[in-house]
Amino acid sequence: GAVVSQHPSRVICKSGTSVKIECRSLDFQATTMFWYRQFPKQSLMLMATSNEGSKATYEQGVEKDKFLINHASLTLSTLTVTSAHPEDSSFYICSAGGGVYGYTFGSGTRLTVV
Amino acid sequence: QKEVEQDPGPLSVPEGAIVSLNCTYSNSAFQYFMWYRQYSRKGPELLMYTYSSGNKEDGRFTAQVDKSSKYISLFIRDSQPSDSATYLCAIWSNTGKLIFGQGTTLQVKP
Repeated sequence: GAVVSQHPSRVICKSGTSVKIECRSLDFQATTMFWYRQFPKQSLMLMATSNEGSKATYEQGVEKDKFLINHASLTLSTLTVTSAHPEDSSFYICSAGGGVYGYTFGSGTRLTVV
Repeated sequence: QKEVEQDPGPLSVPEGAIVSLNCTYSNSAFQYFMWYRQYSRKGPELLMYTYSSGNKEDGRFTAQVDKSSKYISLFIRDSQPSDSATYLCAIWSNTGKLIFGQGTTLQVKP
């Protein structure tokens, strides 16, 4: 089946620094990838849709200058959290695939900003 | 009103029990319904999916959709400790995005 690799699985950074999270489709090409954020005991909230070769589409309320998304190839999308603050601490998950039932999720990245 | 509502639990049951997990949704136009399982600190994995109304069975798992009441259910028979996880219902919206419920945390005790 489709495999989506997400890296790193866990990162701790200092307040004010930037962090990059990678999402790779290992055995298929993904023109579209999705980025989600999940707070403890809460649902996955869609942050943005990443489109290969074009600008990402952000959901309402998500700061595009803070959460930079780059989908430079058909197998890689990156999410950069810029000038991170403690309130950005969360679990970030990407997904890739296609069709209604065909999206596979990465294993997630736990970001802690201290 | 949220588009998808799910009781977060937690739900604790003894091994072998039948588990019932439920969600309600608001938009009667939704057609594609899914259940994902998420283990701690991992991404969700697709467990079951159904289209429109009816039942779908896969081993110990049964997914059920009642469109008249906008209610979706997941039943787990003969529950096992390995079933302990968070279960999220999800709906494919008309805008091509997944809308998730809050997730129900299930613990199956040996």
